[in-house]
Amino acid sequence: SQTIHQWPATLVQPVGSPLSLECTVEGTSNPNLYWYRQAAGRGLQLLFYSVGIGQISSEVPQNLSASRPQDRQFILSSKKLLLSDSGFYLCAWSAQEISYNEQFFGPGTRLTVL
Amino acid sequence: GQNIDQPTEMTATEGAIVQINCTYQTSGFNGLFWYQQHAGEAPTFLSYNVLDGLEEKGRFSSFLSRSKGYSYLLLKELQMKDSASYLCAVTDSNYQLIWGAGTKLIIKP
Repeated sequence: SQTIHQWPATLVQPVGSPLSLECTVEGTSNPNLYWYRQAAGRGLQLLFYSVGIGQISSEVPQNLSASRPQDRQFILSSKKLLLSDSGFYLCAWSAQEISYNEQFFGPGTRLTVL
Repeated sequence: GQNIDQPTEMTATEGAIVQINCTYQTSGFNGLFWYQQHAGEAPTFLSYNVLDGLEEKGRFSSFLSRSKGYSYLLLKELQMKDSASYLCAVTDSNYQLIWGAGTKLIIKP
């Protein structure tokens, strides 16, 4: 069966510090991968998605970046965090079959920027 | 632009029935998902509709009308554990998922 891991679960960082969040998927090959951010009490905001190694599409211009160094690894980074970067970060995967793109979510990382 | 509308919050009583509506305007349509999200947790899949009509799965049912750009999620025999946010998401013509902001459902005893 497929599983998706994210770490860390919680993170408190000062403004201006760097960020690296990691997501890995097991039990599937060549998945579509997604990074979302969810502010408190709000909906999901798609940040990045990837259909393959090294292929990243950005949905929202910001001080975040994403990379996919391996097929089942997706990394979210920032060189300098802003207060507005606080939120709940979710990684998700879906199968490459485009006719049905149910997304499966990792447990999330709660980031607080102080 | 693409838009999905859901009520922000609803309140219902334990044991009752509640209907959460979702209307959408998207560039194309290739299916509609409902997800449940408990506070502080990741969303989990509830249902998928691609054809008009009602899909029933235990206490939960989901309805779709493509001509009206409308769906609803029906929850029966409400339990306290059903207190959560319910997210509507539509697959557009590019097979991208467009997410609604979610409906927070509060269940009272």
